[in-house]
Amino acid sequence: AQSVAQPEDQVNVAEGNPLTVKCTYSVSGNPYLFWYVQYPNRGLQFLLKYITGDNLVKGSYGFEAEFNKSQTSFHLKKPSALVSDSALYFCAVWNQGGKLIFGQGTELSVKP
Amino acid sequence: GAGVSQSPRYKVAKRGQDVALRCDPISGHVSLFWYQQALGQGPEFLTYFQNEAQLDKSGLPSDRFFAERPEGSVSTLKIQRTQQEDSAVYLCASSSKPRVPSHEQFFGPGTRLTVL
Repeated sequence: AQSVAQPEDQVNVAEGNPLTVKCTYSVSGNPYLFWYVQYPNRGLQFLLKYITGDNLVKGSYGFEAEFNKSQTSFHLKKPSALVSDSALYFCAVWNQGGKLIFGQGTELSVKP
Repeated sequence: GAGVSQSPRYKVAKRGQDVALRCDPISGHVSLFWYQQALGQGPEFLTYFQNEAQLDKSGLPSDRFFAERPEGSVSTLKIQRTQQEDSAVYLCASSSKPRVPSHEQFFGPGTRLTVL
């Protein structure tokens, strides 16, 4: 069965520093991977996806993610964090039944 | 607005009451999904509609949960005889195409249901 794991409940970063939010996946077949962000009292917002092609995927708000097949990872990255990036981040995988399977989420806190 | 809207945003119900949660998807979107997000967890799939057809209800946790989309636009998620374990945020999402990974899902703000 397809699944994703986000090993860190929380990530703390200083403003201006690079950030990484980790995600590993388990799928049979080709993985379709996603990152969403959730701000308080708001719905999930799509950041980026990997379907096929380049392993480095660029998305919204300066975020990018690197698909690594050998490590079964899809870590979210940003070169320079902003305080406004503080939110809850979800990694997700599309399963063969046509559903998005979400990780438990990682809370990102960016301090000035 | 052009986004997905949900109402009410907050609902408090006494255990045993029935509730109805509404989702207005983006106009013209074919696909509509419902998710349940418990506190501190990621969203979990409940059900999927393609137009008015409910093609997948495998995630509905019990027969107390019922969803409909009679005209292929607005959808209602109904929970009968609510229990405390039903307390969660219920998210609705829509997509412009039938269920394929290449087309992103647009999420509404959710309805936070609290069952006392």
